Amino acid sequence: GNSVTQMEGPVTLSEEAFLTINCTYTATGYPSLFWYVQYPGEGLQLLLKATKADDKGSNKGFEATYRKETTSFHLEKGSVQVSDSAVYFCALSIVETSYDKVIFGPGTSLSVIP
Amino acid sequence: DTGVSQNPRHKITKRGQNVTFRCDPISEHNRLYWYRQTLGQGPEFLTYFQNEAQLEKSRLLSDRFSAERPKGSFSTLEIQRTEQGDSAMYLCASSQRGGSGNTEAFFGQGTRLTVV
Repeated sequence: GNSVTQMEGPVTLSEEAFLTINCTYTATGYPSLFWYVQYPGEGLQLLLKATKADDKGSNKGFEATYRKETTSFHLEKGSVQVSDSAVYFCALSIVETSYDKVIFGPGTSLSVIP
Repeated sequence: DTGVSQNPRHKITKRGQNVTFRCDPISEHNRLYWYRQTLGQGPEFLTYFQNEAQLEKSRLLSDRFSAERPKGSFSTLEIQRTEQGDSAMYLCASSQRGGSGNTEAFFGQGTRLTVV
């Protein structure tokens, strides 16, 4: 089946630290990969995406590279800010099927302290 | 366009009561999805519409749950005889597939249900 696994949190970092959140997936077919972010009390926002192998998605200083050989899509940021505190969800969608429901990982909570 | 809109944002209800949530997708999107998110978990797929047709329902969607999208625009999710285990955030998303192009799913702010 299709599934997403993320590193467990919570993750606590000091401001300006380097962030990595690991994500691996299993999929039948050729998925698109996403990172969604959920700030406290808010809905899900798409942070970045990649639709094919070796694509790099990037936004707001965050990056993730679609690695087909390792079935991974790790999220990185070189210098986190307090405002990055949120829950991050890795997700996939199988676009060649007749529908494209998004399958989410369990989420990783990030707290950035000043 | 203001994105996906969900109402109400919060709902507190007594066990056994019925509740109904509404989702207004992005206007040109033909696909609409409902998800449920419990505390500390990722969203779980509940059901999906292509225009007005409901094409898939998850096993999570018990017979107390019903969703409609009567004119292929807004959708409603009704829960009958609510139970405490129904307490969760209910998320709606929409996307466009085909026609004018394909998009990823855009999510609303969600409706937080608390059953007391």
